Amino acid sequence: TQLLEQSPQFLSIQEGENLTVYCNSSSVFSSLQWYRQEPGEGPVLLVTVVTGGEVKKLKRLTFQFGDARKDSSLHITAAQPGDTGLYLCAGVRDSGTYKYIFGTGTRLKVLA
Amino acid sequence: EAQVTQNPRYLITVTGKKLTVTCSQNMNHEYMSWYRQDPGLGLRQIYYSMNVEVTDKGDVPEGYKVSRKEKRNFPLILESPSPNQTSLYFCASRTSGRHNEQFFGPGTRLTVL
Repeated sequence: TQLLEQSPQFLSIQEGENLTVYCNSSSVFSSLQWYRQEPGEGPVLLVTVVTGGEVKKLKRLTFQFGDARKDSSLHITAAQPGDTGLYLCAGVRDSGTYKYIFGTGTRLKVLA
Repeated sequence: EAQVTQNPRYLITVTGKKLTVTCSQNMNHEYMSWYRQDPGLGLRQIYYSMNVEVTDKGDVPEGYKVSRKEKRNFPLILESPSPNQTSLYFCASRTSGRHNEQFFGPGTRLTVL
């Protein structure tokens, strides 16, 4: 059962545009992580959000954890071709079992 | 260099022929995990290990075995591979803090004919 739904699945935009990727669940997570994956490589962590309502910024990327810790969003301002990649959200379950649930991913392509 | 290594990177095998994918990390991490990545399904956790001799099932453990005899190694064993185990496999490790970053290996692309 997939507990983390990401949208959109695919996104192709022009350089300079803004975009938002959503990660939604009906389950509560103790924390949520965002990763970026390049072709032929493993995912690389971008950020971890832990507190409900938390907002973190990483240069042009803004991450938000929902107040109820069930959802998260990633906003990219003025996208650049270097932002192209597969973006994955991952929830750490609140049950103490240390299991990770990954979203299905958003494949972003930024055109120059 | 701190890293997670996997071998082999690519493997084509036949149904029923036992295989092992090795995973090793040099960061002294307690937690290690195996995932498979399939189109449209994302990354799904197969098994994880909190420390030496401590392993537990993830969401898709059927058809797989693991062992954690040493802290640095966490091999994934397919006793009798089947075509539905054709996938891209990733090993990951992190320190014991639940919110800490997972470091992923480069992946192993497995094809079972």
